[in-house]
Amino acid sequence: KAGVTQTPRYLIKTRGQQVTLSCSPISGHRSVSWYQQTPGQGLQFLFEYFSETQRNKGNFPGRFSGRQFSNSRSEMNVSTLELGDSALYLCASSATPGTSGKMGVETQYFGPGTRLLVL
Amino acid sequence: EDQVTQSPEALRLQEGESSSLNCSYTVSGLRGLFWYRQDPGKGPEFLFTLYSAGEEKEKERLKATLTKKESFLHITAPKPEDSATYLCAVQANRGGYQKVTFGTGTKLQVIP
Repeated sequence: KAGVTQTPRYLIKTRGQQVTLSCSPISGHRSVSWYQQTPGQGLQFLFEYFSETQRNKGNFPGRFSGRQFSNSRSEMNVSTLELGDSALYLCASSATPGTSGKMGVETQYFGPGTRLLVL
Repeated sequence: EDQVTQSPEALRLQEGESSSLNCSYTVSGLRGLFWYRQDPGKGPEFLFTLYSAGEEKEKERLKATLTKKESFLHITAPKPEDSATYLCAVQANRGGYQKVTFGTGTKLQVIP
């Protein structure tokens, strides 16, 4: 099975611009989660989508948004970029809870990430 | 609030020198604990899922164990290619969705 893919792999933007990142989950996985990773903060949860609905959201400002399509592919958008948005953005997919994992737990599998640099 | 604390933050080992990484957690209703390995600039690579206290899992030189308060990742006779950041995460059920909380990781360097 192909793994989680993310595009683009690298992006350079300037303050005030907006950016859209894309994530294609593992075939058959319907849950997609997004994380921001910075050296100082580690992995911070952004949001999770399941069946085109946002199911859970972390503590990020409204400039960060996302969506999921009927084929489970997901996009996240960051508007009005700030210098502090420079980070590695990671997408993780997991199967529908309870369908294959033990005790209703489904392991998250990560993509390679998109490195965003805001100048 | 769910908390995951990993120690040490960084660990430097000689090749062949076995050691353990610690992940202590505070979470109600733990459903699963995960270990990942992350190389610089790459996404985390899944290693193990542990579900209940007393469970152990092994993969090559790595062995993960779980108690009610913490998990250990034992590395036996490490090699330089084991150098990476090791992340621990816990999953709990929160009102119909699975909440995942990550620790900040242990950066392991294995010297030849």
